[in-house]
Amino acid sequence: GQQLNQSPQSMFIQEGEDVSMNCTSSSIFNTWLWYKQDPGEGPVLLIALYKAGELTSNGRLTAQFGITRKDSFLNISASIPSDVGIYFCAGRRAFGNQFYFGTGTSLTVIP
Amino acid sequence: DAGVTQSPTHLIKTRGQQVTLRCSPKSGHDTVSWYQQALGQGPQFIFQYYEEEERQRGNFPDRFSGHQFPNYSSELNVNALLLGDSALYLCASSPGPTENEQYFGPGTRLTVT
Repeated sequence: GQQLNQSPQSMFIQEGEDVSMNCTSSSIFNTWLWYKQDPGEGPVLLIALYKAGELTSNGRLTAQFGITRKDSFLNISASIPSDVGIYFCAGRRAFGNQFYFGTGTSLTVIP
Repeated sequence: DAGVTQSPTHLIKTRGQQVTLRCSPKSGHDTVSWYQQALGQGPQFIFQYYEEEERQRGNFPDRFSGHQFPNYSSELNVNALLLGDSALYLCASSPGPTENEQYFGPGTRLTVT
């Protein structure tokens, strides 16, 4: 099946630092989504991307749709303790309704 | 405005048993997708329901089946449970089968012993 690889697998950073993570696929996607999941809860949608090269922000979060359409990137600026959680990318191909999820990046913010 | 709700929150079953999980979509949403999330992994798509029909299916065996009701709520049934079926089962709703913005429920934690 389709595999989306996220890196890094985990990150430990100091409060106030910026964070970068990425997601790569073996297939071309026409939609990329980024989610955050807290323990015991379902994923919450952070950002949606619909066009190659697109750069979209949501507060301190900025995501980009890679120009090859096989990757996407998420940046978090000036991290705060509530940014702690697991971040997932998800992609969808041009045909079909199925979303494929990445392996996740676990973020720990040290106050 | 209620979000996506799922029941039960937790469930413990024995190998070989059958289980039914339930989901109510967000108000105004008519499409429900089910996902399986094993510990430490990302969600894996099981299937999607729209207009009371299964519209797309992921790589899951026929032991996994579902249903959607006229009020758009949905059930996930798993027969002949295996230990490997232990996971968090997530329901996501959207305002249409091709809509990109899915909203997830809190999930049902299934443990098979």
